[in-house]
Amino acid sequence: GAVVSQHPSRVICKSGTSVKIECRSLDFQATTMFWYRQFPKQSLMLMATSNEGSKATYEQGVEKDKFLINHASLTLSTLTVTSAHPEDSSFYICSARGRRHGGGRDQPQHFGDGTRLSIL
Amino acid sequence: GQQLNQSPQSMFIQEGEDVSMNCTSSSIFNTWLWYKQDPGEGPVLLIALYKAGELTSNGRLTAQFGTTRKDSFLNISASIPSDVGIYFCALRPNFGNEKLTFGTGTRLTIIP
Repeated sequence: GAVVSQHPSRVICKSGTSVKIECRSLDFQATTMFWYRQFPKQSLMLMATSNEGSKATYEQGVEKDKFLINHASLTLSTLTVTSAHPEDSSFYICSARGRRHGGGRDQPQHFGDGTRLSIL
Repeated sequence: GQQLNQSPQSMFIQEGEDVSMNCTSSSIFNTWLWYKQDPGEGPVLLIALYKAGELTSNGRLTAQFGTTRKDSFLNISASIPSDVGIYFCALRPNFGNEKLTFGTGTRLTIIP
């Protein structure tokens, strides 16, 4: 089945550091990627929607200058948390949807395994 | 924004028991999705429902799209240890809009 790979799976860094998280679709072309944040014992909250080759659309309350999203190719989107602070510590999850290589019907969203970000 | 309430919030059951959980929304939707999330991992799609009244099975899992289009149910029969996790319902606003809203989740624990 469709696979979405997220890297790194875990990162611990000092306050003020910028952290980049990668999200790759391994066997399909992801026309759209989504970035979610999940705090402990809470649900997933959509942060932004990223379409290949265009600017990301951010949800209300999400700072676009703090959470930089780049979707430069059909298989890769990155989320950079700039000048991270302890309150940014969370579980970040990406998902991707698109057509399988060679065409075909659009697929449902497939999720990566998440990145646990801990800011000291 | 859209509210999706799941109940129960948590369940403690014995292996072999059947499980039932539900999800209700404040508005009508066209697509209901059920996901399972294991600790430290991303959610995995279990069942997708597209029509009011639709009943769909995936192995021991059965989900139904309520006729009012404001609720959905997920049942797990004969639970096994690997069923442990958090179950989320999720909604798509309409066809062509892929933004998902997730429910509050139901945490399932199996007592040995």
